Amino acid sequence: SAVISQKPSRDICQRGTSLTIQCQVDSQVTMMFWYRQQPGQSLTLIATANQGSEATYESGFVIDKFPISRPNLTFSTLTVSNMSPEDSSIYLCSVANSGNTIYFGEGSWLTVV
Amino acid sequence: DQQVKQNSPSLSVQEGRISILNCDYTNSMFDYFLWYKKYPAEGPTFLISISSIKDKNEDGRFTVFLNKSAKHLSLHIVPSQPGDSAVYFCAASFGGSTLGRLYFGRGTQLTVWP
Repeated sequence: SAVISQKPSRDICQRGTSLTIQCQVDSQVTMMFWYRQQPGQSLTLIATANQGSEATYESGFVIDKFPISRPNLTFSTLTVSNMSPEDSSIYLCSVANSGNTIYFGEGSWLTVV
Repeated sequence: DQQVKQNSPSLSVQEGRISILNCDYTNSMFDYFLWYKKYPAEGPTFLISISSIKDKNEDGRFTVFLNKSAKHLSLHIVPSQPGDSAVYFCAASFGGSTLGRLYFGRGTQLTVWP
């Protein structure tokens, strides 16, 4: 299995500000993924973060709003920019291991006021 | 458009009995399916998965059944325990290099009562 740590675990943010979420994995992984779960909704993939290349964004998500960094094989960051109340969500980091299992971090719970 | 659907938002089962959670999908190209359990204030925890080349996979109390012709899968928990009370998410992937790109259902809240 993979141990995934996210920071912050929870935050309350002012609208118009930006927040960077960190994801640290205890082993090297090729691909890391960022998901969002809005209140009462299912998990939705934001982007795939590959080491050494730009992130690949899903439809409806753009780099200006959700810039991602992937400096090495164990770490990634997701920034939520110019936040509005609609960005209040749980943001989750996940990784896929060689055993075809996808693991998730504990999530970062953001409330925008 | 939701490609993975869990039409039952909640399920209540007595301890010791079987819990059956259902999931339907619309895209026949999905190649890999996973079930996750999620407690409040925690991230999803992987439970069990199944490849499209199989119709059943079992791990302890958890069994997943896949019916490709009906585009339906189900998770059976036997026997159910109060600690199983959580939200269960069904997820699907096209597999291969896109394995980690998951499409989730909205979840089913399972309550197991004594």
